[in-house]
Amino acid sequence: KAGVTQTPRYLIKTRGQQVTLSCSPISGHRSVSWYQQTPGQGLQFLFEYFSETQRNKGNFPGRFSGRQFSNSRSEMNVSTLELGDSALYLCASSLAGDLTGELFFGEGSRLTVL
Amino acid sequence: AQTVTQSQPEMSVQEAETVTLSCTYDTSESDYYLFWYKQPPSRQMILVIRQEAYKQQNATENRFSVNFQKAAKSFSLKISDSQLGDAAMYFCAYRRFTPLVFGKGTRLSVIA
Repeated sequence: KAGVTQTPRYLIKTRGQQVTLSCSPISGHRSVSWYQQTPGQGLQFLFEYFSETQRNKGNFPGRFSGRQFSNSRSEMNVSTLELGDSALYLCASSLAGDLTGELFFGEGSRLTVL
Repeated sequence: AQTVTQSQPEMSVQEAETVTLSCTYDTSESDYYLFWYKQPPSRQMILVIRQEAYKQQNATENRFSVNFQKAAKSFSLKISDSQLGDAAMYFCAYRRFTPLVFGKGTRLSVIA
């Protein structure tokens, strides 16, 4: 069974640009969550989608957005990039999204903003 | 809001020895879930062990076990017979009908 797949693995952008990251969950998983990981702030929750609906949202500015498609694949978008957006973005999926179960993580997308 | 604290930014252990990673959390709830995740240098987070708060028995997974002290809000991870492959960042996490709340992590080095 394939794991959580995130693309691209690495990308470099400049300030002011926008970026779209993609996440394919494990087959059958309907919940997808996104986390931002930085050395200073650690792991911070961005948002969670379940059956194409955003169910939870973290404390990030509106420049951060996401969506989920009918096949459970998810994308997150960051507009007007800032230097502080440089981070590892992790996607995680879970089977039923019952908010108590295990999350399965992808390897992440490493974003560098210059 | 719930918080998770890992007071040891870095730890080291000799191969085949035992090491304990500390974690404390703050919550007013009585029913919740606690997790230890491992993030090796390849970056993929892997679940090590899970504890349900209403279960008094400490969870165990092979060489990994926890010491869950609910009243003290403490959730430490013990790794026995440490192996080189155990070297990684370890994150303690809390969950109750909310997204996972992570601690800052402990970097574990294993010395051959």
